[in-house]
Amino acid sequence: YVVTQPPSVSVAPGKTATITCERYNIGEKSVHWYQQKAGQAPTLVLFHNDHRPSGIPERFSGSNSGNMATLTIIRVEAGDEADYYCQFWDPGSDHVVFGEGTTLTIL
Amino acid sequence: EVQVVESGGGLIQPGGSLRLSCAASGFTVSSNYMNWVRQAPGKGLQWVSIMYSNGYTYYTDSVKGRFTVSRDNSKNIVYLQMDSLRAEDTAIYYCAAFTSVAPTWYYYGLDVWGRGTTVTVSS
Repeated sequence: YVVTQPPSVSVAPGKTATITCERYNIGEKSVHWYQQKAGQAPTLVLFHNDHRPSGIPERFSGSNSGNMATLTIIRVEAGDEADYYCQFWDPGSDHVVFGEGTTLTIL
Repeated sequence: EVQVVESGGGLIQPGGSLRLSCAASGFTVSSNYMNWVRQAPGKGLQWVSIMYSNGYTYYTDSVKGRFTVSRDNSKNIVYLQMDSLRAEDTAIYYCAAFTSVAPTWYYYGLDVWGRGTTVTVSS
């Protein structure tokens, strides 16, 4: 499985960061997003395409359609600097699939 | 508190074996979908295995036939037995769980992660 994410995204504080996750027909999957800060374990920031777990700011949102899922972070803060991974479960193979990961850098 | 704690990592020679443990609290491993995810140094997340609530297990191709997942329901622990270890298995190994018990458990993401345990395969 190859699930393509841009290796890096850079954005100035207060601006909007968009991180994409591309795979054929990913719109048919339930996509989740994880944030991993340096030296820490990943944490779930969005589930089922566009739902936020409790404690995740409304600044985080998502969408999923066609061949692309997207994580959008508005009003980016220094604390958002991290690696972000998309993920879905493939029922055809019973495998969990992660995207390649994107490093978000706050300028 | 819902959490998992991994243990059992260490330095092992190529060809050796190691058993990792994932101790859960606040939920029951036998009712949920338990995963191992690893991260090689400087690399991204790689899914390793899943154990379903019904006991079925699945593995990524690179570890199939070498790694085995099991669980002890009485202790609420999931294990990852790693045999024939290779240098490329060197990574932090995370235990992560889909803790939703809904039929659409896969809608809810891996919402519980441990801090990981480090496995280094080197001579």
